Amino acid sequence: EAGVTQFPSHSVIEKGQTVTLRCDPISGHDNLYWYRRVMGKEIKFLLHFVKESKQDESGMPNNRFLAERTGGTYSTLKVQPAELEDSGVYFCASSQGGLGQDTQYFGPGTRLTVL
Amino acid sequence: AQSVTQPDIHITVSEGASLELRCNYSYGATPYLFWYVQSPGQGLQLLLKYFSGDTLVQGIKGFEAEFKRSQSSFNLRKPSVHWSDAAEYFCAVGDHLGNQFYFGTGTSLTVIP
Repeated sequence: EAGVTQFPSHSVIEKGQTVTLRCDPISGHDNLYWYRRVMGKEIKFLLHFVKESKQDESGMPNNRFLAERTGGTYSTLKVQPAELEDSGVYFCASSQGGLGQDTQYFGPGTRLTVL
Repeated sequence: AQSVTQPDIHITVSEGASLELRCNYSYGATPYLFWYVQSPGQGLQLLLKYFSGDTLVQGIKGFEAEFKRSQSSFNLRKPSVHWSDAAEYFCAVGDHLGNQFYFGTGTSLTVIP
Protein backbone atom coordinates (compact mmCIF):
# COMPACT_ATOMS: atom_id res chain seq x y z
CA GLU A 1 0.00 0.00 0.00
CA ALA A 2 1.38 3.37 -1.00
CA GLY A 3 1.84 5.82 1.82
CA VAL A 4 1.20 9.54 1.91
CA THR A 5 3.26 11.31 -0.70
CA GLN A 6 4.19 14.96 -0.90
CA PHE A 7 5.64 17.06 -3.67
CA PRO A 8 8.07 18.73 -3.89
CA SER A 9 10.39 17.49 -1.20
CA HIS A 10 12.18 20.82 -1.12
CA SER A 11 11.30 24.29 -2.38
CA VAL A 12 13.38 27.43 -2.23
CA ILE A 13 11.64 30.64 -3.24
CA GLU A 14 12.06 34.34 -2.75
CA LYS A 15 9.87 36.47 -0.57
CA GLY A 16 6.79 37.55 -2.47
CA GLN A 17 6.69 34.52 -4.74
CA THR A 18 4.01 31.86 -4.81
CA VAL A 19 4.49 28.21 -3.95
CA THR A 20 2.08 25.31 -4.19
CA LEU A 21 2.59 22.16 -2.19
CA ARG A 22 0.84 18.94 -3.05
CA CYS A 23 -0.23 16.00 -0.94
CA ASP A 24 -1.55 12.65 -2.08
CA PRO A 25 -3.16 10.77 0.81
CA ILE A 26 -3.46 7.05 1.21
CA SER A 27 -6.14 5.80 -1.13
CA GLY A 28 -9.51 5.62 0.57
CA HIS A 29 -8.64 7.99 3.38
CA ASP A 30 -11.33 10.64 3.64
CA ASN A 31 -9.47 12.67 6.25
CA LEU A 32 -6.51 14.79 5.23
CA TYR A 33 -4.51 17.09 7.47
CA TRP A 34 -1.86 19.73 6.94
CA TYR A 35 0.71 20.55 9.59
CA ARG A 36 3.75 22.78 9.71
CA ARG A 37 6.96 22.65 11.69
CA VAL A 38 8.96 25.81 12.02
CA MET A 39 12.59 25.11 12.87
CA GLY A 40 13.07 24.07 16.46
CA LYS A 41 9.41 24.21 17.32
CA GLU A 42 6.58 21.74 17.54
CA ILE A 43 4.60 20.42 14.63
CA LYS A 44 1.48 22.55 14.48
CA PHE A 45 -1.88 21.84 12.93
CA LEU A 46 -3.02 23.92 9.98
CA LEU A 47 -6.24 22.36 8.77
CA HIS A 48 -8.33 19.24 8.34
CA PHE A 49 -10.31 18.11 5.31
CA VAL A 50 -13.06 15.52 5.32
CA LYS A 51 -13.32 14.54 1.70
CA GLU A 52 -13.41 17.88 -0.11
CA SER A 53 -14.78 19.90 2.82
CA LYS A 54 -12.75 21.87 5.31
CA GLN A 55 -13.63 20.48 8.70
CA ASP A 56 -11.33 22.72 10.69
CA GLU A 57 -9.00 25.43 9.40
CA SER A 58 -8.34 27.10 12.71
CA GLY A 59 -4.59 26.62 12.39
CA MET A 60 -4.15 28.47 9.12
CA PRO A 61 -1.85 31.40 9.90
CA ASN A 62 -3.47 34.01 7.64
CA ASN A 63 -5.18 34.51 4.30
CA ARG A 64 -1.94 34.08 2.37
CA PHE A 65 -2.49 30.35 2.80
CA LEU A 66 -5.06 28.57 0.68
CA ALA A 67 -5.75 24.86 0.87
CA GLU A 68 -7.89 22.92 -1.54
CA ARG A 69 -8.95 19.35 -1.99
CA THR A 70 -10.98 19.19 -5.14
CA GLY A 71 -12.71 15.87 -5.65
CA GLY A 72 -11.68 14.69 -2.22
CA THR A 73 -8.45 13.11 -3.39
CA TYR A 74 -5.19 15.01 -3.41
CA SER A 75 -4.77 18.36 -1.72
CA THR A 76 -2.79 21.47 -2.46
CA LEU A 77 -1.56 24.16 -0.12
CA LYS A 78 -0.72 27.45 -1.78
CA VAL A 79 1.22 30.23 -0.13
CA GLN A 80 0.83 33.57 -1.89
CA PRO A 81 2.77 35.76 -1.42
CA ALA A 82 5.35 33.91 0.64
CA GLU A 83 6.99 35.63 3.59
CA LEU A 84 10.20 34.76 5.43
CA GLU A 85 8.31 33.37 8.42
CA ASP A 86 6.60 30.80 6.20
CA SER A 87 9.80 28.78 6.06
CA GLY A 88 9.52 25.37 7.62
CA VAL A 89 8.55 21.80 6.91
CA TYR A 90 4.98 21.21 5.80
CA PHE A 91 3.59 17.80 6.60
CA CYS A 92 0.51 16.17 5.24
CA ALA A 93 -1.27 13.32 6.97
CA SER A 94 -4.29 11.20 6.22
CA SER A 95 -6.53 8.89 8.21
CA GLN A 96 -9.42 6.61 7.53
CA GLY A 97 -11.56 7.80 10.42
CA GLY A 98 -11.74 11.31 11.72
CA LEU A 99 -11.75 10.68 15.42
CA GLY A 100 -9.01 11.52 17.88
CA GLN A 101 -7.90 7.93 18.25
CA ASP A 102 -7.58 7.31 14.54
CA THR A 103 -3.99 7.00 13.48
CA GLN A 104 -2.79 9.71 11.16
CA TYR A 105 -0.29 8.57 8.55
CA PHE A 106 2.24 11.19 7.66
CA GLY A 107 4.11 12.00 4.50
CA PRO A 108 7.82 12.91 4.43
CA GLY A 109 7.09 16.62 4.36
CA THR A 110 7.99 19.49 2.06
CA ARG A 111 10.82 21.70 3.26
CA LEU A 112 10.03 25.27 2.26
CA THR A 113 12.69 27.94 2.41
CA VAL A 114 11.73 31.54 1.77
CA LEU A 115 14.68 33.86 1.11
CA ALA B 1 -5.35 24.34 26.63
CA GLN B 2 -3.96 21.16 25.22
CA SER B 3 -0.20 20.87 25.05
CA VAL B 4 2.59 18.35 24.93
CA THR B 5 6.01 18.81 26.46
CA GLN B 6 9.10 16.85 25.53
CA PRO B 7 11.70 18.23 27.93
CA ASP B 8 14.72 16.70 26.23
CA ILE B 9 15.65 18.34 22.94
CA HIS B 10 18.53 15.98 22.30
CA ILE B 11 19.68 12.71 23.86
CA THR B 12 22.80 10.67 23.19
CA VAL B 13 23.00 7.02 24.21
CA SER B 14 25.42 4.21 23.55
CA GLU B 15 24.32 1.32 21.41
CA GLY B 16 22.93 -1.42 23.63
CA ALA B 17 22.03 0.97 26.43
CA SER B 18 18.48 1.52 27.60
CA LEU B 19 16.47 4.53 26.52
CA GLU B 20 13.69 6.60 28.01
CA LEU B 21 12.19 9.60 26.24
CA ARG B 22 9.96 11.79 28.31
CA CYS B 23 6.57 13.16 27.36
CA ASN B 24 4.16 15.16 29.49
CA TYR B 25 0.77 16.32 28.29
CA SER B 26 -1.95 18.69 29.32
CA TYR B 27 -5.40 17.68 28.23
CA GLY B 28 -8.83 18.04 29.79
CA ALA B 29 -10.13 14.55 29.14
CA THR B 30 -8.66 11.09 28.86
CA PRO B 31 -6.02 11.59 26.22
CA TYR B 32 -5.35 9.68 23.05
CA LEU B 33 -1.56 9.42 23.05
CA PHE B 34 0.84 8.62 20.27
CA TRP B 35 4.57 8.31 19.68
CA TYR B 36 5.96 8.86 16.21
CA VAL B 37 9.48 8.55 14.88
CA GLN B 38 10.99 10.39 11.95
CA SER B 39 14.15 9.12 10.33
CA PRO B 40 15.99 11.41 7.90
CA GLY B 41 14.11 11.77 4.63
CA GLN B 42 11.16 9.78 5.90
CA GLY B 43 7.70 10.64 7.08
CA LEU B 44 6.57 10.30 10.65
CA GLN B 45 6.06 6.64 11.45
CA LEU B 46 3.75 5.53 14.22
CA LEU B 47 5.55 3.62 16.98
CA LEU B 48 2.62 3.05 19.32
CA LYS B 49 -0.57 4.55 20.67
CA TYR B 50 -2.68 4.52 23.82
CA PHE B 51 -6.44 4.99 24.12
CA SER B 52 -7.52 3.02 27.14
CA GLY B 53 -6.98 -0.19 29.01
CA ASP B 54 -3.55 -1.52 29.89
CA THR B 55 -1.34 1.46 30.63
CA LEU B 56 1.77 -0.27 29.29
CA VAL B 57 1.65 -0.25 25.51
CA GLN B 58 3.88 -2.24 23.20
CA GLY B 59 4.88 -0.85 19.84
CA ILE B 60 7.01 -1.64 16.85
CA LYS B 61 10.79 -1.93 16.83
CA GLY B 62 10.88 -3.05 20.46
CA PHE B 63 9.52 0.19 21.91
CA GLU B 64 7.02 0.47 24.73
CA ALA B 65 5.40 3.36 26.55
CA GLU B 66 3.63 3.70 29.85
CA PHE B 67 0.68 5.98 30.49
CA LYS B 68 0.68 7.46 33.98
CA ARG B 69 -2.38 9.56 34.58
CA SER B 70 -1.19 10.85 37.96
CA GLN B 71 1.92 12.27 36.33
CA SER B 72 0.32 13.24 32.99
CA SER B 73 3.13 11.36 31.33
CA PHE B 74 3.56 8.93 28.46
CA ASN B 75 7.26 8.08 28.41
CA LEU B 76 8.76 5.98 25.66
CA ARG B 77 11.24 3.24 26.51
CA LYS B 78 13.45 0.71 24.84
CA PRO B 79 15.63 -1.74 26.77
CA SER B 80 18.49 -1.89 24.26
CA VAL B 81 19.04 0.76 21.63
CA HIS B 82 20.26 -0.06 18.13
CA TRP B 83 22.19 2.32 15.87
CA SER B 84 19.19 2.36 13.53
CA ASP B 85 17.09 3.99 16.28
CA ALA B 86 18.86 7.29 15.71
CA ALA B 87 16.04 9.60 14.65
CA GLU B 88 13.71 12.26 15.94
CA TYR B 89 10.86 11.19 18.20
CA PHE B 90 7.57 13.00 18.63
CA CYS B 91 4.92 12.59 21.27
CA ALA B 92 1.37 13.65 20.34
CA VAL B 93 -2.08 13.96 21.84
CA GLY B 94 -5.12 13.33 19.66
CA ASP B 95 -7.98 15.78 19.90
CA HIS B 96 -11.25 14.07 20.82
CA LEU B 97 -13.02 15.92 18.03
CA GLY B 98 -10.62 14.29 15.60
CA ASN B 99 -9.45 17.49 14.06
CA GLN B 100 -5.82 17.54 14.99
CA PHE B 101 -2.89 16.19 16.88
CA TYR B 102 -0.96 18.30 19.36
CA PHE B 103 2.74 17.58 19.15
CA GLY B 104 5.71 18.12 21.38
CA THR B 105 8.84 19.77 20.03
CA GLY B 106 10.51 16.43 19.45
CA THR B 107 13.56 14.68 20.89
CA SER B 108 16.52 14.00 18.65
CA LEU B 109 18.28 10.73 19.49
CA THR B 110 21.92 10.07 18.68
CA VAL B 111 23.29 6.55 19.11
CA ILE B 112 27.03 6.15 19.54
CA PRO B 113 28.88 2.88 19.00
